[in-house]
Amino acid sequence: DAGITQSPRYKITETGRQVTLMCHQTWSHSYMFWYRQDLGHGLRLIYYSAAADITDKGEVPDGYVVSRSKTENFPLTLESATRSQTSVYFCASEGGRGEAFFGQGTRLTVV
Amino acid sequence: ELKVEQNPLFLSMQEGKNYTIYCNYSTTSDRLYWYRQDPGKSLESLFVLLSNGAVKQEGRLMASLDTKARLSTLHITAAVHDLSATYFCAAPSGGGADGLTFGKGTHLIIQP
Repeated sequence: DAGITQSPRYKITETGRQVTLMCHQTWSHSYMFWYRQDLGHGLRLIYYSAAADITDKGEVPDGYVVSRSKTENFPLTLESATRSQTSVYFCASEGGRGEAFFGQGTRLTVV
Repeated sequence: ELKVEQNPLFLSMQEGKNYTIYCNYSTTSDRLYWYRQDPGKSLESLFVLLSNGAVKQEGRLMASLDTKARLSTLHITAAVHDLSATYFCAAPSGGGADGLTFGKGTHLIIQP
């Protein structure tokens, strides 16, 4: 199906484990983003990518790693999960006019 | 650093009433976006405002942008229950496509 999809939708992991959240888009958009959404903070940008092999830090990048070997995929890795990384994570890609289109979200719980 | 402030953050209103959500941003921007989010769901793009004086309307919602005042408004006319959701405004964080800075959202409840 066309669009932007995230997996998994829900994930529970233990403190200290590595976890990767996947994001795939079929529009061939150049720009992709990872946001986290927390109560009281709204959405905050973690990392973004302007094209394959080009990534940059957003507002809250600490503890996260991204890669973009292909235009359509933009995985987000938590190298050693902490409880403070419990959140809902949204991947987005940018169409024309700077408008962002969001995936369904991944609800991550770190215990 | 861009800051985006919405108010109110919480709004409970009755069906049939009108109301306005305000979005102020701290640095110059000629673009502003409005999104809707239903509980447990993703963000849906509502309006893209690309210039000063831009006005967009969709059903009972109307959004406007005043870049000189650094203000956007989302006006709700004759509210209906289906409009209950959280509404976010967002502005470009900086030059290039380095993402959006979001307001904290307005949680809107429309009661019969």
